[in-house]
Amino acid sequence: QVQLVQSGAEVKKPGASVKVSCKASGYTFITYGITWVRQAPGQGLEWMGWISTYTGNPKYAQKFQGRVTMTTDTPTSTAYMELRSLRSDDTAVYYCARQTRGYSYAFDYWGQGALVTVSS
Amino acid sequence: SYVLTQPPSVSVAPGKTARITCGGSNITIKNVHWYQQKAGQAPVLVIYYDDDRPSGIPERFSGSNSGNTATLTISRVEAGDEADYYCQVWDSSSDHPGVFGGGTKLTVL
Repeated sequence: QVQLVQSGAEVKKPGASVKVSCKASGYTFITYGITWVRQAPGQGLEWMGWISTYTGNPKYAQKFQGRVTMTTDTPTSTAYMELRSLRSDDTAVYYCARQTRGYSYAFDYWGQGALVTVSS
Repeated sequence: SYVLTQPPSVSVAPGKTARITCGGSNITIKNVHWYQQKAGQAPVLVIYYDDDRPSGIPERFSGSNSGNTATLTISRVEAGDEADYYCQVWDSSSDHPGVFGGGTKLTVL
């Protein structure tokens, strides 16, 4: 069965970086893109960007341009999201999700989420 | 970037029908996807491409899309349907293609 398993919770100081991993199983990794979504406490879902697991090309939401890097490691079927220069308002649960194929992507399988807390 | 507007909350009695709307400019030309998120859990896709259900999602969940409004309909609402619901589109022509609505809290009375 399809599974996305993310790395654990992290506590970081302002200005630091965090790298969240997302290990996929149960399907051929390079045939579906991976999207990253975050959710601040008590808030809605915010799309951060996505990466083509086939080409390795990412596309980031403008809000995160220059601070985020999304990568993949095909041999281990793992996607990564690194966010730099962390601020307190980056405190959130970070999700990876598999994108459906086709021309209008939905997100059909989600990781369990990784809580990132930014606090001095 | 494209904007999706949802009501913050909807309340419904058990056994009744809940309708959650998602407004967007000419949304009918886009494909709308819906997610259910229960407290403390990751979102779950419940409707994709306006009105398709993933396997395992009850037939009580249905979707429609017309004009400037897409609608998620939940028939014969159960206590277990209480959750936040989000609509989402993929705006491929935009620099910000992944777009979520603000979410609607469904309360079962």
